[in-house]
Amino acid sequence: KQEVTQIPAALSVPEGENLVLNCSFTDSAIYNLQWFRQDPGKGLTSLLLIQSSQREQTSGRLNASLDKSSGRSTLYIAASQPGDSATYLCAAASGGSYIPTFGRGTSLIVHP
Amino acid sequence: DAGVIQSPRHEVTEMGQEVTLRCKPISGHNSLFWYRQTMMRGLELLIYFNNNVPIDDSGMPEDRFSAKMPNASFSTLKIQPSEPRDSAVYFCASSLSQGATYGYTFGSGTRLTVV
Repeated sequence: KQEVTQIPAALSVPEGENLVLNCSFTDSAIYNLQWFRQDPGKGLTSLLLIQSSQREQTSGRLNASLDKSSGRSTLYIAASQPGDSATYLCAAASGGSYIPTFGRGTSLIVHP
Repeated sequence: DAGVIQSPRHEVTEMGQEVTLRCKPISGHNSLFWYRQTMMRGLELLIYFNNNVPIDDSGMPEDRFSAKMPNASFSTLKIQPSEPRDSAVYFCASSLSQGATYGYTFGSGTRLTVV
């Protein structure tokens, strides 16, 4: 059974810092890994999707990498802004039905 | 596209009452997932449909929970009778071709409170 762990659980940084969020998974036979953002009381917004054959994906200030052999993915946020404050979740899709398994998320606060 | 649409956004009900949550997936998507999110357990998969057929319902907590997908554009999650421990945010998500290529799109969720 796939298990996904996200470290740290919470992070508070000053505006402008570059930061890295970590996601690890136990079953390396994944089809894709997706990063989401969740604002308080809201739904999940997709940020980046990395296919199993890819090593990284970039969107604006966000860069996500995937290392299947080590069971790890990282989300890099450059020049963080207060508007980046949210919970970031990763989900690894594996198994015959491609069902995504979620980590518990990293709660990020970027203070001015 | 309007995205995945869930209704109602909020539901408050008394213990023992029947609750029905609704989901309209993105047009053309053929996979649909119901998740439950709580502080204690995070996001848990309840049930997964592919081409309107339930494929994996191992996450449905007990017989009080049931889900249907009568057609490609509508799904329901029903709790009968509801209990306070069912209080959570319930999310519906849809994808194309099981999400392998394009990932998953989530609705805004239904916040259920059972008193």
